[in-house]
Amino acid sequence: EVELVESGGGLVQPGGSLRLSCAASGFTLSSYWMHWVRQAPGKGLVWVSRIDSAGSNIAYADSVKGRFSISRDNAKNTVYMQMNSLRVEDTAVYYCVRDVDTSMVGDYWGQGTLVTVSS
Amino acid sequence: DIQMTQSPSSLSASVGDRVAITCRASQSISNSLNWYQQKPGKAPKLLIYAASSLQSGVPSRFSGSGSGTDFTLSISSLQPEDFGTYYCQQSYITPCTFGQGTKLEI
Repeated sequence: EVELVESGGGLVQPGGSLRLSCAASGFTLSSYWMHWVRQAPGKGLVWVSRIDSAGSNIAYADSVKGRFSISRDNAKNTVYMQMNSLRVEDTAVYYCVRDVDTSMVGDYWGQGTLVTVSS
Repeated sequence: DIQMTQSPSSLSASVGDRVAITCRASQSISNSLNWYQQKPGKAPKLLIYAASSLQSGVPSRFSGSGSGTDFTLSISSLQPEDFGTYYCQQSYITPCTFGQGTKLEI
């Protein structure tokens, strides 16, 4: 059974950092592109970042470019999101999403981890 | 970025009704349109991909249509478990973008 489990969320002050992890199981992580999508409280879905299966083709939303960094360790079946210089507007539930076939279609989503940026 | 606009923003319907939600893209996206259902406190679930392909395990009462800029998600006979918020998403170019959501109340 495919499972994605996010962790690492929490409360952080503006300007602080957090590192999210997404542990994958039930499939071969190295065969799939992966994404992070976030959802602010009571709001809609917003794509954040994407990483290809090898970790060489990466893209970010303009809103996080230069502050967030996506990476992966296929040997550990884990995808990461390093978030620096956090802002109040980064407050959201962050979902780890498996891409069906490099088409940006998310067929499996984790349960999400809440990041709260507040002083 | 491509803007995705859904209508209506909210919808109330009864069990057994046929329901349609529309999604319009700000430019042509061919058939690169996907639909997700989200229930409160839960992650989104993929329903339809490539405009009209039903994701495995999704009931056949869900269907999708459209191409270019205009798309529709239809539910043929609404069931109580179909409540939630529905999002369209374009996967034509990066960044992929989502509609603002349609909240369906039964």
